[in-house]
Amino acid sequence: EAGVAQSPRYKIIEKRQSVAFWCNPISGHATLYWYQQILGQGPKLLIQFQNNGVVDDSQLPKDRFSAERLKGVDSTLKIQPAKLEDSAVYLCASSLVVRDAEAFFGQGTRLTVV
Amino acid sequence: QKEVEQDPGPLSVPEGAIVSLNCTYSNSAFQYFMWYRQYSRKGPELLMYTYSSGNKEDGRFTAQVDKSSKYISLFIRDSQPSDSATYLCAMQNTGGFKTIFGAGTRLFVKA
Repeated sequence: EAGVAQSPRYKIIEKRQSVAFWCNPISGHATLYWYQQILGQGPKLLIQFQNNGVVDDSQLPKDRFSAERLKGVDSTLKIQPAKLEDSAVYLCASSLVVRDAEAFFGQGTRLTVV
Repeated sequence: QKEVEQDPGPLSVPEGAIVSLNCTYSNSAFQYFMWYRQYSRKGPELLMYTYSSGNKEDGRFTAQVDKSSKYISLFIRDSQPSDSATYLCAMQNTGGFKTIFGAGTRLFVKA
């Protein structure tokens, strides 16, 4: 079974630039999550989709972050404009159903904003 | 006060030792309790999860939940150098959808 795929693995941008991350969840998983993991901290949920609808985006900085999940499969997370404090690993995860304690994570995209 | 507290370590033990990793929490609504392992530059990997109170065993790993004390533990028996990683506890309540993670404990098992 293929895992959660994310790209790119690494990205370095200057502050005020924009960046986009892509995620392909495990086939058949209805729920998709984007997490932000700052160095030395646990993952923090940014947004959660159930199919192509948003379940929770309460911690998404909506003035600069946006995410979409077209057709209920792949998802993209965008930051525009980036700030220094956005430097983190962005993790995508998926699970079979919305209240599933078993989430599968991708390897993440390490973003450095300089 | 954070909803989930976890000692960041690092914790260094010799090979073969029994390791005890712990988290405390403040939200009594949490019902699902998970332990993830995260190797350097990798995504977290679910080790095991329990629902409500009690113990759960899987090979060398045992998870315990004490809801009365709002305290959860992960025990690793016969620890191996390959167990060296960051261990994240995570919790979820049945009323909402959000999973809250602890900061993670870095574990080093020396050969």
